[in-house]
Amino acid sequence: EPEVTQTPSHQVTQMGQEVILRCVPISNHLYFYWYRQILGQKVEFLVSFYNNEISEKSEIFDDQFSVERPDGSNFTLKIRSTKLEDSAMYFCASNSIEGMGDTQYFGPGTRLTVL
Amino acid sequence: AQKITQTQPGMFVQEKEAVTLDCTYDTSDPSYGLFWYKQPSSGEMIFLIYQGSYDQQNATEGRYSLNFQKARKSANLVISASQLGDSAMYFCAMRETNTGNQFYFGTGTSLTVIP
Repeated sequence: EPEVTQTPSHQVTQMGQEVILRCVPISNHLYFYWYRQILGQKVEFLVSFYNNEISEKSEIFDDQFSVERPDGSNFTLKIRSTKLEDSAMYFCASNSIEGMGDTQYFGPGTRLTVL
Repeated sequence: AQKITQTQPGMFVQEKEAVTLDCTYDTSDPSYGLFWYKQPSSGEMIFLIYQGSYDQQNATEGRYSLNFQKARKSANLVISASQLGDSAMYFCAMRETNTGNQFYFGTGTSLTVIP
């Protein structure tokens, strides 16, 4: 069964450093998302991406964040200058069509720890 | 106002018994979708079940069913014949037509199945 994959599973970085989180969405999916989950809290939407551009973003997704689809398979989230409060689990998700019933399938997550 | 409310931070159920996890939602959009995800201790988000706002019947997927009460704006998850492997966090989520593809998540319910 196809699945969303994410690398690395755990990333530790120093405050102020740049990190790139990588995702490979399900191959025939067209819509891609990043969410984050601070430890013990709910999952929060960051950004959605379609047709090589951002289609929606939340207030959390400020100028330090960017997303890219550098090739036909990868979807990346870059955090330019990490802060302590960026420590969270970051989930990538994808779905195939823009429909109410189309489920977003989540990757296993990358746990980011900022020291 | 919160779009998704899960009022049960923790629930316990005896193995083989049924359990109901509560979810209420808030939207003025007539078209929306409701989803439940399971998050085991390993951290991944596993899709369980979907209910559309126009669906006449309650959704069912194996041991999972969704008790959809539209007038009360509730979408409770019912797990029948609980198994030890059901112990996990459970998140209710909603997508609205007017706000695009992003999912709004609740704070989750931690379910523990007791042998």
